[in-house]
Amino acid sequence: EAGVVQSPRYKIIEKKQPVAFWCNPISGHNTLYWYRQNLGQGPELLIRYENEEAVDDSQLPKDRFSAERLKGVDSTLKIQPAELGDSAVYLCASSPEVDFEAFFGQGTRLTVV
Amino acid sequence: GQQLNQSPQSMFIQEGEDVSMNCTSSSIFNTWLWYKQEPGEGPVLLIALYKAGELTSNGRLTAQFGITRKDSFLNISASIPSDVGIYFCAGRDNYGQNFVFGPGTRLSVLP
Repeated sequence: EAGVVQSPRYKIIEKKQPVAFWCNPISGHNTLYWYRQNLGQGPELLIRYENEEAVDDSQLPKDRFSAERLKGVDSTLKIQPAELGDSAVYLCASSPEVDFEAFFGQGTRLTVV
Repeated sequence: GQQLNQSPQSMFIQEGEDVSMNCTSSSIFNTWLWYKQEPGEGPVLLIALYKAGELTSNGRLTAQFGITRKDSFLNISASIPSDVGIYFCAGRDNYGQNFVFGPGTRLSVLP
């Protein structure tokens, strides 16, 4: 069974530029998460989807971050414009349902210069 | 919000030694997860715990759901070089549907 797939693996952009990350969850997993992991810290939730509905986006900085999960399968996380402090690893995870453990992708390492 | 503490923050051990680490919370949790993360990779699920007092093994790894429901423990027996990485605990309480992660324990295994 294929795992959670994320792309790109690495991205370097200049501040004020836009950037987008893509995630394809494990087939059949209804719940999808986006996490941000700063250096030396644990992952922190940005947004959780149940199918195509964003059911918890309370930690998503909505002035510059947006996400979508059209058709309830793959998802895109966007930052526009990026700031220096956005440099981090962005992790996508999925689970069959919200009550089950989450499985992570390899992450996208973003560097904003 | 909820916060998890992990102890120790880092540890250096000799190959073959046993390892113990723990995770504590100020809240009562109904689920504990343990993940391992290697450089450049996403966290990989090791063990999931769903009941207070539960003891679950996965090969050389054993994790326990504390009876107070505010802590969890992970033990690694007979460590080997490939055990190197950062171990994260994650917990969820009765009110939330999201997992909160601890800051991690960084394990180094010396040959």
